[in-house]
Amino acid sequence: EAQVTQNPRYLITVTGKKLTVTCSQNMNHEYMSWYRQDPGLGLRQIYYSMNVEVTDKGDVPEGYKVSRKEKRNFPLILESPSPNQTSLYFCASSSGVMNTEAFFGQGTRLTVV
Amino acid sequence: DAKTTQPPSMDCAEGRAANLPCNHSTISGNEYVYWYRQIHSQGPQYIIHGLKNNETNEMASLIITEDRKSSTLILPHATLRDTAVYYCIVRVGYDYKLSFGAGTTVTVRA
Repeated sequence: EAQVTQNPRYLITVTGKKLTVTCSQNMNHEYMSWYRQDPGLGLRQIYYSMNVEVTDKGDVPEGYKVSRKEKRNFPLILESPSPNQTSLYFCASSSGVMNTEAFFGQGTRLTVV
Repeated sequence: DAKTTQPPSMDCAEGRAANLPCNHSTISGNEYVYWYRQIHSQGPQYIIHGLKNNETNEMASLIITEDRKSSTLILPHATLRDTAVYYCIVRVGYDYKLSFGAGTTVTVRA
């Protein structure tokens, strides 16, 4: 089954403790991205990757890092999480062909206390 | 990307067609209309997209006006599981980024 898998689904952590949210897709997609969703602000793009070793900032990259060492994986790294990064996070992937649909993971609900 | 305008909410009776409008009056010639939905904080789900012709798939139909300034997503026989936030997004074909607005909260009632 074609899918984007995020882990963990839920995470509560403390300010400053580094964490990684993993994202993996099994569709051989070139393009992957991370979004965060906050009430009243909708979904906003954090980072994206056009292919292996190619990443770029989205609209709200501050406080986040990403890497794309393999095509299937695109982890989101919070080196020093802060409470304002409490949010619902989604990973998405799509093929390198124009006008294709994006597939989203089920989300990671992160709480930073 | 062109801005879209959707009603904040709408109700629909189960089994009836749900018609979701979207205005995109500043759309340019190379921008496509996409629809996604999000069910209760799950990951957004692709529904359909089109450029200027009407489109239909197993989930829905997309009707785009001739001037392309507005469109309507039609769910032909709404079920309770169609209760979700529906997003209308306009973007150029080569842009993989999706800019989600507030969407329309659709509630299907039994």
